[in-house]
Amino acid sequence: GAVVSQHPSWVICKSGTSVKIECRSLDFQATTMFWYRQFPKQSLMLMATSNEGSKATYEQGVEKDKFLINHASLTLSTLTVTSAHPEDSSFYICSAKHPSGVSYNEQFFGPGTRLTVL
Amino acid sequence: QKEVEQDPGPLSVPEGAIVSLNCTYSNSAFQYFMWYRQYSRKGPELLMYTYSSGNKEDGRFTAQVDKSSKYISLFIRDSQPSDSATYLCAMSGYGQNFVFGPGTRLSVLP
Repeated sequence: GAVVSQHPSWVICKSGTSVKIECRSLDFQATTMFWYRQFPKQSLMLMATSNEGSKATYEQGVEKDKFLINHASLTLSTLTVTSAHPEDSSFYICSAKHPSGVSYNEQFFGPGTRLTVL
Repeated sequence: QKEVEQDPGPLSVPEGAIVSLNCTYSNSAFQYFMWYRQYSRKGPELLMYTYSSGNKEDGRFTAQVDKSSKYISLFIRDSQPSDSATYLCAMSGYGQNFVFGPGTRLSVLP
């Protein structure tokens, strides 16, 4: 099956530092990846759509200068949280669109990265 | 009104019970309906996918979509403690991104 990995699985950082999270599709090529944020006991909120070789599309209310997304290859997208603050502490989940999923837009999710900003 | 509504629970049932999970939505353009299961501190995994209206069965799981009522359901038969998780509904229109419900936390008690 389609596997998506994320690294790191958990990161703790000091306020003001930057953190990079990697999302990889391990056994398929993904032209489109998505980044979600999930607060405790809440649903997934789409932050941005990452397209290989082009700029990411950010959802309304998401600061593009704070959440930098780079989709440099067909198997890797990175999310960098710049100048992180405690309110950025959350569970960040990526997903990758599989080219031959059960529907044209099936997404496979990574295991998530828990970010804690002190 | 939120685009997708789902009772957050928590829902507690005894082992072996039939579980019914539901979502309502307001966007009539939605055509693709999914149910995901998410264990604590893990990414969601796809359980069921349905296109347009109708029923779909896979083992102990049955998904129903009623587009006229803008209502979807997931039934779990013979529930097991391993089914304890948060269940998220998700839906989208053609060419649109997913919209997730807030999730229902389910506990199946042995």
